[in-house]
Amino acid sequence: DQQVKQNSPSLSVQEGRISILNCDYTNSMFDYFLWYKKYPAEGPTFLISISSIKDKNEDGRFTVFLNKSAKHLSLHIVPSQPGDSAVYFCAASARSDTNAGKSTFGDGTTLTVKP
Amino acid sequence: DTGVSQDPRHKITKRGQNVTFRCDPISEHNRLYWYRQTLGQGPEFLTYFQNEAQLEKSRLLSDRFSAERPKGSFSTLEIQRTEQGDSAMYLCASSLGTYSYEQYFGPGTRLTVT
Repeated sequence: DQQVKQNSPSLSVQEGRISILNCDYTNSMFDYFLWYKKYPAEGPTFLISISSIKDKNEDGRFTVFLNKSAKHLSLHIVPSQPGDSAVYFCAASARSDTNAGKSTFGDGTTLTVKP
Repeated sequence: DTGVSQDPRHKITKRGQNVTFRCDPISEHNRLYWYRQTLGQGPEFLTYFQNEAQLEKSRLLSDRFSAERPKGSFSTLEIQRTEQGDSAMYLCASSLGTYSYEQYFGPGTRLTVT
């Protein structure tokens, strides 16, 4: 059972337009969500996060929205730039002593931003 | 550069051989994680350390896998009697603090078992 799902393996958008990447989760214990970006031959890099006590977090061109009732989050990139082309992973964590920040990842969405 | 480093970056081995990977986390980070990633999938949690103590192991980590972090600094992941199904990217990450959810990843070690 996959607890974090990214149902779109790929997304292609035009430079300057909005990119929307989606993520669904099933575990109600998850209370912190993160997005990572990965370029080829590199490890994932932290991008932005959101706690379950919020429904929106913004950092420059990147905004993450959380809908707890739907167990759904999305990452918006506005405006999209060619350098944003990468694989984006959604990750979720549960706050507990035994969990200690362990993250469960989705399978990623490959974003291509066309010039 | 003070990021997470992993060595080697690539390893090709024959089935049945043992391999060992090393991870050097960011120096002040007390938590260290190992993940495995196969093509088309996200990183899967294997194990993690707080300082030198190994606090959790995934059921994915069979008895052929062992990890250590002897002095709470660098960590090693050993795979004994490798199988073709062990071929994957092995990622190491580190983080600071008890409730620090952001993890800093190394570039990974790509293992190919022939």
